[in-house]
Amino acid sequence: GQQVMQIPQYQHVQEGEDFTTYCNSSTTLSNIQWYKQRPGGHPVFLIQLVKSGEVKKQKRLTFQFGEAKKNSSLHITATQTTDVGTYFCAGNFGNEKLTFGTGTRLTIIP
Amino acid sequence: EADIYQTPRYLVIGTGKKITLECSQTMGHDKMYWYQQDPGMELHLIHYSYGVNSTEKGDLSSESTVSRIRTEHFPLTLESARPSHTSQYLCASSSGLGTQETQYFGPGTRLLVL
Repeated sequence: GQQVMQIPQYQHVQEGEDFTTYCNSSTTLSNIQWYKQRPGGHPVFLIQLVKSGEVKKQKRLTFQFGEAKKNSSLHITATQTTDVGTYFCAGNFGNEKLTFGTGTRLTIIP
Repeated sequence: EADIYQTPRYLVIGTGKKITLECSQTMGHDKMYWYQQDPGMELHLIHYSYGVNSTEKGDLSSESTVSRIRTEHFPLTLESARPSHTSQYLCASSSGLGTQETQYFGPGTRLLVL
């Protein structure tokens, strides 16, 4: 079946350090979305990438979509305690149904 | 902020009881979804609907059932709850414009079956 894998599963960083999570698919994606889920909360949409090689920024967050549209990454510069949570990528394989990645749980050491 | 609601937010119930988890959205979205999620873990799609009178099973097998009689309402029912059903259940909806949909999630229902 169509799956979207994310690594790492967990990441502990010192406050102020950078953080990156990677998302990989074995088949080409139509687009990819990123969601953030705070502890005890629900997933909230962050951004969508559609074009091959696309790069988008939101303040300290940088999102990339691979040239082959099979992988994506989310990079956070200089993490803050408010960045704590689980980050999910969600891929669309062209069948109008999102497939969520396994998620990366980020914890910040103050 | 998305207008999607779930009730109850928390539910503790005994084995064998029938339960219905409610989900409503006021955005007029055609597509609605139910996910099951253990704390901090993956989201597992258990049911989805692309419109009134349309329901499909998701990727994760579930003993629950759903109905979609009205656009705004997508309840999930467990006929006989078991401890293995203990989890968080998240409802979501999307406007479903082709493949570029964004899903809006409700606050979730945390279910504990004793």
